[in-house]
Order: sequence, then structure tokens, then C-alpha cells
Amino acid sequence: DTGVSQDPRHKITKRGQNVTFRCDPISEHNRLYWYRQTLGQGPEFLTYFQNEAQLEKSRLLSDRFSAERPKGSFSTLEIQRTEQGDSAMYLCASSPDRTGSSEKLFFGSGTQLSVL
Amino acid sequence: AQSVTQLGSHVSVSEGALVLLRCNYSSSVPPYLFWYVQYPNQGLQLLLKYTSAATLVKGINGFEAEFKKSETSFHLTKPSAHMSDAAEYFCAVTNWRSGGYQKVTFGTGTKLQVIP
Repeated sequence: DTGVSQDPRHKITKRGQNVTFRCDPISEHNRLYWYRQTLGQGPEFLTYFQNEAQLEKSRLLSDRFSAERPKGSFSTLEIQRTEQGDSAMYLCASSPDRTGSSEKLFFGSGTQLSVL
Repeated sequence: AQSVTQLGSHVSVSEGALVLLRCNYSSSVPPYLFWYVQYPNQGLQLLLKYTSAATLVKGINGFEAEFKKSETSFHLTKPSAHMSDAAEYFCAVTNWRSGGYQKVTFGTGTKLQVIP
């Protein structure tokens, strides 16, 4: 169990550029979540994957955002035409699909995005 | 919709003093409640969870929380603060979705400062 891994840790980009983040969940965790955290706020739900299926997307996820989990393992979150308001910490979390265990989320260290 | 409110964005205590971080919840159904801790430059880590069993829940690092339905509260306490407890603490509530997964809603967080 190596924990949830996110890459990169930090990303600085210019407004209008596209960025992609990667999340590797704990192996055998088939539930994967993306959250966004801005300064002074708690994490906000963005989207959820059950295996490769994206089952829910928040209204926070505009059409510039897209997330995938093609083989039910790692996931990517892409932001197109970044805006300064996209600057935040993007957190990935995973959990097992077992009764009594599924409610605990294991978080990665996050990707800190700064849009200049 | 379920939500949590954390009272006090910053709390300072002396080393060895009682830690009390306040959280009130709003939920139309019996809630699952959590406390997560976030150390600088790290992801969130589960401290403890309430899932409708015992109302007094013990977590890691000497923390505990008591679920009080009459007060809609789930305050976090620790009898004696340690320097290593300095971190940001998030109260959270789960909204179980029809697909069997959870959507966790976090509070805005409380930064705990421990004064030597």
C-alpha cells in the first residue's frame, strides 16, 4: 500500500494554457474522487469514478474540465484554457468498495495549480 | 443537502491544554460524520468517523469526538495538546448517493496553533 499518488505536486501555467494532472489511487480501490481546495476553504467535490465509469460531476466542473479513468486504475483531470480562478489545490482520493470500509477516503497530497 | 459548519477558522491553545474544535451539522437523514486533519503540504488524513454506532468516537493521536443529536454537534476534543497537533482540521458529512458511493461535504476548516 503506497498510498494515493498525484503528479505533479506543483504546476504553474499561463492563462489560456491546458494542463493535465494524474492520480494513481491505492491499488484495488475502485472508487476514485477528485476534489478542489481553495485557500481558506474545505475541499469541494468535483467528480466521482466507480472503476472506469464517471458517475457524478459537480456543477463546479465546467466544460473546460474533463476527467477520465480509462482502465479503472489511474485517472487524469484536464483543464483547458485555464483561468486565474482555476488556481487551487486539486486533490484525488480513493476508497475500497467494501462494506464498512468504503466511507474512509484516502487522499493524495494534491496538485497545486497556479495560473498566472 | 447535508452540510457542516465549523466555528472558528483559527484556534490557539497552549501545549498541554485542552483542544476543542467545534462542528455543527445539518442533515435530514442520520449522518455519517468525519474529522480529517491536513498537515502542511500534505493530503487529508482521517482522524475519526461516526457511523451511527457509539456516540463517543475515538480516533488517532488521542483525539475523540462526541455525536450529540440534540445539539446537531460533532465537536473534536483532545485532553492535552501537543506541538505536533498543529494542523488544519476539517469536519465533514457524507451524502450517500443512489449508486452506493458517497459525496463528502467538508467544512471550511479550523487551523490549530499550539503555543509552547
